[in-house]
Amino acid sequence: SAVISQKPSRDICQRGTSLTIQCQVDSQVTMMFWYRQQPGQSLTLIATANQGSEATYESGFVIDKFPISRPNLTFSTLTVSNMSPEDSSIYLCSARQGGDNEQFFGPGTRLTVL
Amino acid sequence: KNEVEQSPQNLTAQEGEFITINCSYSVGISALHWLQQHPGGGIVSLFMLSSGKKKHGRLIATINIQEKHSSLHITASHPRDSAVYICAAYHRLWETSGSRLTFGEGTQLTVNP
Repeated sequence: SAVISQKPSRDICQRGTSLTIQCQVDSQVTMMFWYRQQPGQSLTLIATANQGSEATYESGFVIDKFPISRPNLTFSTLTVSNMSPEDSSIYLCSARQGGDNEQFFGPGTRLTVL
Repeated sequence: KNEVEQSPQNLTAQEGEFITINCSYSVGISALHWLQQHPGGGIVSLFMLSSGKKKHGRLIATINIQEKHSSLHITASHPRDSAVYICAAYHRLWETSGSRLTFGEGTQLTVNP
C-alpha cells in the first residue's frame, strides 16, 4: 500500500489569490491524480499528473486554472489559481501503482475561498 | 446517468444494527473499491474486489459480476462507523491497458448510540 500526505490540510484564502497544495507519497508510484470534491458531492477528477511532462486534464479543467507539477515518482503539486468562492472544495491527491492496482487517497486539503 | 449508483443516499441506524449499502454499475469493470470518508475529508480504502466476498472485522463486501452489483455490510454497527461510504468502479480502458475510476455519490451513514 501507499501512504499519501498532503499539505496544507486546510486553508482559508482570499478571492483572487492562488494556493499550491503539495502531495507526497511514501513510495514510488506510476500514476498520481488530483480530485476535487465540492460540498455534498462525490469526487471529480481534475487531472492525471504525469512525471516529466504536462498533466492530462479532464473536460472542464484547464492548466491555467489548475497548474500541476510532478517532478518525480513520489511528489506532485496542484495550484488553484485566481481563486473564487466557487473553488471552495476538498482537493484530494491520489496514487496508484500501475493500471489495475488499488488506488490510494491522501487526507485531502479543505479549501475555503472568501 | 452516473455509471455507478449507490443506495441509500442517507442511512440512520441504531447502534448494533446490521447495515447494508448497495452499489450498482452499468458497464463492465475490472474491480470495485469501497471507500470510507470521515468528516475531515480523508478517504480510507476498505476493500478492493473483483469477485466473491471479502471480510475484515465487522465489514463484509460482496460483488456479483453478472448482476453488476456490490454490497457493503456492517455487522454490529457502532457510532464510530458514522461516515460517508463510497463505491468506486475501475472501468477498463482498452486503449491504454489501464483503468479509470468512477465514483458513486456516496452513502452518509449515521449510527446513533
